[in-house]
Amino acid sequence: EIVLTQSPATLSLSPGERATLSCRASQSVSRQLAWYQQKPGQAPRLLIYAASNRATGVPVRFSGSGSGTDFTLTISSLEPEDFAVYYCHRRDNRAFTFGPGTKVDV
Amino acid sequence: EAQVVESGGGLVQPGRSLRLACAASGFRFDDYAIHWVRQAPGKGLEWISSISWNNDNPGYADSVRGRFTISRDNAENSVYLQMNSLRPEDTALYYCAKGDEALWFGNDAFDMWGQGTMVVVSS
Repeated sequence: EIVLTQSPATLSLSPGERATLSCRASQSVSRQLAWYQQKPGQAPRLLIYAASNRATGVPVRFSGSGSGTDFTLTISSLEPEDFAVYYCHRRDNRAFTFGPGTKVDV
Repeated sequence: EAQVVESGGGLVQPGRSLRLACAASGFRFDDYAIHWVRQAPGKGLEWISSISWNNDNPGYADSVRGRFTISRDNAENSVYLQMNSLRPEDTALYYCAKGDEALWFGNDAFDMWGQGTMVVVSS
């Protein structure tokens, strides 16, 4: 079973700053990793799939990178609407796993 | 507009049953797998079940296997989650999500989510 670990648990930043979120897998997952954003009271939203591909409508300030066991979600310049919880996610054999999430707050 | 909409949640006593529904519209329903993900209050996301376009070999998390059954009706553009023997720890917001391809075990992202339906298991 692949375990996804996200760090930090909380990232305190200000609008305009750069956010760097980490997701580490307990074993190699190639590039099969997705990132989701969840704002309070809302459903998750797909941001990144296959490690680095932006989903439809996702602003270019969001970027994903990594392969194997270490992945990064970068928000180049935080907008007020970006303060949310971010989850990484991947398929593990015949199951799916989510990381515990990183909360980006002010 | 493409969307999935969940329904069927509510308050139920431990040991009882509930059936959730996920109604899809705006996309070719039988081209995609559908997934259920839940989120307990104040907690993270937990995948619980998935079904391919053709109903074959659905997947379940260990926490619900043997108690929950997923099914779909492509004629009705709907997926169902029959939840039996409910426990207090099943209390959560249940989301339906569209996968990115037809066979669930080949999906790598959930690209459309509903707003969820709340299930509370309590006496």
